[in-house]
Amino acid sequence: GAGVSQSPRYKVAKRGQDVALRCDPISGHVSLFWYQQALGQGPEFLTYFQNEAQLDKSGLPSDRFFAERPEGSVSTLKIQRTQQEDSAVYLCASSLVPMVNSPLHFGNGTRLTVT
Amino acid sequence: QQPVQSPQAVILREGEDAVINCSSSKALYSVHWYRQKHGEAPVFLMILLKGGEQKGHEKISASFNEKKQQSSLYLTASQLSYSGTYFCGTDISSNNAGNMLTFGGGTRLMVKP
Repeated sequence: GAGVSQSPRYKVAKRGQDVALRCDPISGHVSLFWYQQALGQGPEFLTYFQNEAQLDKSGLPSDRFFAERPEGSVSTLKIQRTQQEDSAVYLCASSLVPMVNSPLHFGNGTRLTVT
Repeated sequence: QQPVQSPQAVILREGEDAVINCSSSKALYSVHWYRQKHGEAPVFLMILLKGGEQKGHEKISASFNEKKQQSSLYLTASQLSYSGTYFCGTDISSNNAGNMLTFGGGTRLMVKP
């Protein structure tokens, strides 16, 4: 595909439900990032993959958040037992290489609303 | 550890200039700039690397002052299409040579006709 694709675009979950958010990065991109963006705020780092290896998960807010990228391409962010404070836009980004001069290409995000 | 952006919001008339600042409390080796329109993905503008390099994109340019741990984005002769929220991102990789970014809170720019 031409860009980073995320699905679903919108997700409404009842408090306590589990959700899974999908990210299809640009083909061949080594690095994949997940960010959480609250309304009116900047994206906050959640986790980083280099191919299938999760190299950093320091930004995951709790053990209810889990991310994987088993074959080094598609990634899934799972949130268990959702809470109202999880409501946000979840952005996925990929970059060709994990180098300082490699730009991030973002998807349009998944807007999660927990009721 | 997140960079601090100023101002938080700017309103311009078409054709006016603006400057957006991004400051860090730690040593900077690179700064990324992105623009996000409402409901859309952030879009890459430019990357600045250690060395004070100045880069340009359309009529948007930026500078990087590693001594001041600061980067500034300059928007010249603004167009309606420049409206959006601008984010700077700084690398939090352990070797300072990656692109694992932490972003500032953003600067909302509105250009009016």
